Amino acid sequence: DAGVIQSPRHEVTEMGQEVTLRCKPISGHDYLFWYRQTMMRGLELLIYFNNNVPIDDSGMPEDRFSAKMPNASFSTLKIQPSEPRDSAVYFCASSPLLLGQETQYFGPGTRLLVL
Amino acid sequence: EDQVTQSPEALRLQEGESSSLNCSYTVSGLRGLFWYRQDPGKGPEFLFTLYSAGEEKEKERLKATLTKKESFLHITAPKPEDSATYLCAVRAGYSTLTFGKGTMLLVSP
Repeated sequence: DAGVIQSPRHEVTEMGQEVTLRCKPISGHDYLFWYRQTMMRGLELLIYFNNNVPIDDSGMPEDRFSAKMPNASFSTLKIQPSEPRDSAVYFCASSPLLLGQETQYFGPGTRLLVL
Repeated sequence: EDQVTQSPEALRLQEGESSSLNCSYTVSGLRGLFWYRQDPGKGPEFLFTLYSAGEEKEKERLKATLTKKESFLHITAPKPEDSATYLCAVRAGYSTLTFGKGTMLLVSP
């Protein structure tokens, strides 16, 4: 398996622009997670899905952030409008439904810089 | 609220100099403590899961142990390729993972 795939790997945009991050989870995994990583706050969970349904979005910082999972093999995280404080590395992770063994597998991340 | 504290924040070792990284946690109903390795510019890579106090797991030069309040990642005779940031995370009940901020390890030849 190719692992979790994320695109783009790097994104530079200007404040106010819309940004869309994409993720393809590992085939057969039932859970998909979106994280944000910064030096100050470390790795923070934004939202996660189970079988394409959003379960907990309490980590989404503001209404400017939205996430969708239209099918089992694709998810997007959108920021509109973007702000400089959104600059961070965004990771997507997926895990199988193995009760008590829910190891998460991470993608390579998207490094976002908002000018 | 689940809390995870890792120490030290950074650690520099000479090749072959063994040491330990600490992960202290506060959760109610631990359902797993996870160790990940993260190389610069990459996503975290899974290393171990520990489920109960007294449990130990090993992989090459790494050994993870767990007590009721903390976990240690012991690194024996490290090599430069062990340089990375090591992340600890806990899972309580049916909740999601809560990560610590990590320990950045640098092993010099």
